[in-house]
Amino acid sequence: GENVEQHPSTLSVQEGDSAVIKCTYSDSASNYFPWYKQELGKGPQLIIDIRSNVGEKKDQRIAVTLNKTAKHFSLHITETQPEDSAVYFCLTTGGGNKLTFGTGTQLKVEL
Amino acid sequence: ETGVTQTPRHLVMGMTNKKSLKCEQHLGHNAMYWYKQSAKKPLELMFVYSLEERVENNSVPSRFSPECPNSSHLFLHLHTLQPEDSALYLCASSQDLQGGDGYTFGSGTRLTVV
Repeated sequence: GENVEQHPSTLSVQEGDSAVIKCTYSDSASNYFPWYKQELGKGPQLIIDIRSNVGEKKDQRIAVTLNKTAKHFSLHITETQPEDSAVYFCLTTGGGNKLTFGTGTQLKVEL
Repeated sequence: ETGVTQTPRHLVMGMTNKKSLKCEQHLGHNAMYWYKQSAKKPLELMFVYSLEERVENNSVPSRFSPECPNSSHLFLHLHTLQPEDSALYLCASSQDLQGGDGYTFGSGTRLTVV
């Protein structure tokens, strides 16, 4: 089955700094890589995704990069704001309907 | 609201009680999922339904019983639960099993077993 490793488990940054979270996967059949943000008391919400035929995708302050050869993809948040504080999860979709979530990263943006 | 609605938001039940969690989506999605989220653990996939047929059951104890009467509704029936079953139970849906357009999650039901 798919193994997904997500690092770091916790990340504390100063407001305005950048944050990077990385996921490494094992299933070469994985071809869709979304990132989810979960705020306190809410379910995870999709914030950005990337498909295997693209190396980078950007949406305002959020970007995702994919290295299929090395089997890792990363979430980049620039100019962090307090409302970015949340738990972030990566997800891989391997062959068939094999969904595997990362273990989550607690991001804290400090004033 | 994300388009996936879960009720109740909070539930406290005794170990001998029977209760049900409800999930509803009107996104036109064909696949629905139940996840368990415990503190400091990865999200655990419990059940997967596609077009009202159960396609996956990840070794979940029989005290959890899913039901999918139609493509818009998903239930999780609970009976004789244990304290370790206390967790956030999340429902999600996707267009199809491949999930190529992402998954939409509800806000979850916070379950406490006493």
